[in-house]
Amino acid sequence: AQSVTQLDSQVPVFEEAPVELRCNYSSSVSVYLFWYVQYPNQGLQLLLKYLSGSTLVESINGFEAEFNKSQTSFHLRKPSVHISDTAEYFCAVSDSSGGSNYKLTFGKGTLLTVNP
Amino acid sequence: GAVVSQHPSWVICKSGTSVKIECRSLDFQATTMFWYRQFPKQSLMLMATSNEGSKATYEQGVEKDKFLINHASLTLSTLTVTSAHPEDSSFYICSAVPYYEAFFGQGTRLTVV
Repeated sequence: AQSVTQLDSQVPVFEEAPVELRCNYSSSVSVYLFWYVQYPNQGLQLLLKYLSGSTLVESINGFEAEFNKSQTSFHLRKPSVHISDTAEYFCAVSDSSGGSNYKLTFGKGTLLTVNP
Repeated sequence: GAVVSQHPSWVICKSGTSVKIECRSLDFQATTMFWYRQFPKQSLMLMATSNEGSKATYEQGVEKDKFLINHASLTLSTLTVTSAHPEDSSFYICSAVPYYEAFFGQGTRLTVV
């Protein structure tokens, strides 16, 4: 079984400030790690993923996340946020062996609010 | 990336009626789809795993007679909320995993009045 903990339910920041959204996971098997973003009344969009290889992964819009196996973490960072980054962010894991058909286990989400 | 289309995006129905939500994979075949429910300001709660050609697997606490799931083809899964009540009002989201990465539908906002 897996579990995901997102330590902050809400993170308010000012525009152009750096931000870190924290994610820790627990699993008895190897996992794939994901960050999804959700805008109001919409489905989830993949922001970035870690499958294997380099532990630092980046998205096209400036976000990055680093997989730390020893700390079982996958924190999301952005050096300078924009108003448009305001959204709910979900960290998720799945069994990398394909167990349960890659069913995702989600954290409770972090609401990032970027203020002018 | 793969596209998952969910329809309708919102629906209002009267208490006691049934509502069907469709989830289609547009450019890939999905033997497995997942149905989630999301309450305001909360995370996604997995309701069931939809398996093409066989019965869905429901999570503990989800009423299978209340939330009927049919996965009759490799590109379509449907969720029917039967005899809907106001407490069934929620945001329902489907997803499919063609390889190892999940793709989500746009979600359906169900309001039961």
